[in-house]
Amino acid sequence: EAGVAQSPRYKIIEKRQSVAFWCNPISGHATLYWYQQILGQGPKLLIQFQNNGVVDDSQLPKDRFSAERLKGVDSTLKIQPAKLEDSAVYLCASSIYGGSYGYTFGSGTRLTVV
Amino acid sequence: AQKITQTQPGMFVQEKEAVTLDCTYDTSDPSYGLFWYKQPSSGEMIFLIYQGSYDQQNATEGRYSLNFQKARKSANLVISASQLGDSAMYFCAMREENRDDKIIFGKGTRLHILP
Repeated sequence: EAGVAQSPRYKIIEKRQSVAFWCNPISGHATLYWYQQILGQGPKLLIQFQNNGVVDDSQLPKDRFSAERLKGVDSTLKIQPAKLEDSAVYLCASSIYGGSYGYTFGSGTRLTVV
Repeated sequence: AQKITQTQPGMFVQEKEAVTLDCTYDTSDPSYGLFWYKQPSSGEMIFLIYQGSYDQQNATEGRYSLNFQKARKSANLVISASQLGDSAMYFCAMREENRDDKIIFGKGTRLHILP
């Protein structure tokens, strides 16, 4: 089966600019997650979707971050305006709800804000 | 309070030796799952092994085994016969069944395998 697809792979922007990341999960996976991984740290959950509904966005900085999952498939994560501290790898993952094999992760998008 | 604690920021191990990566967790949920992921320098997160809280036996996957000590809330990863390709970041993670299937990660341990 095809894996979780993410794009772009790398992105460099200036602070106060906007940026968007795209994720296409594994077909049939109802649950989709966006994680932020700052260099040297473990991934931190930003938002979790079940189909096209939000299950948890408690750690999403909603003043600048937004995410959507139209039609319960692809998802987009946006940052507007970006800050220097947003520099991180943004990982998308998908899973069958309750599966014992955890998530399947995409390759991530490495964002650098200068 | 941290849910997942990995106390070893970095480890150096000689090739072909066994290595144990420590992980302790904190939960009051009786039903949970524990995971280990590997993250090479290329950045992808690779699933290694899973242990359910009700599993009677320790999980094993090839050279990976999970030393599950439920009473101590410990879930250490053991890699036997280490290889140069095992050099990577390793993350312990937990999913609590009553918390919407979220997986929470520890801060990771960087493993260096020496030739």
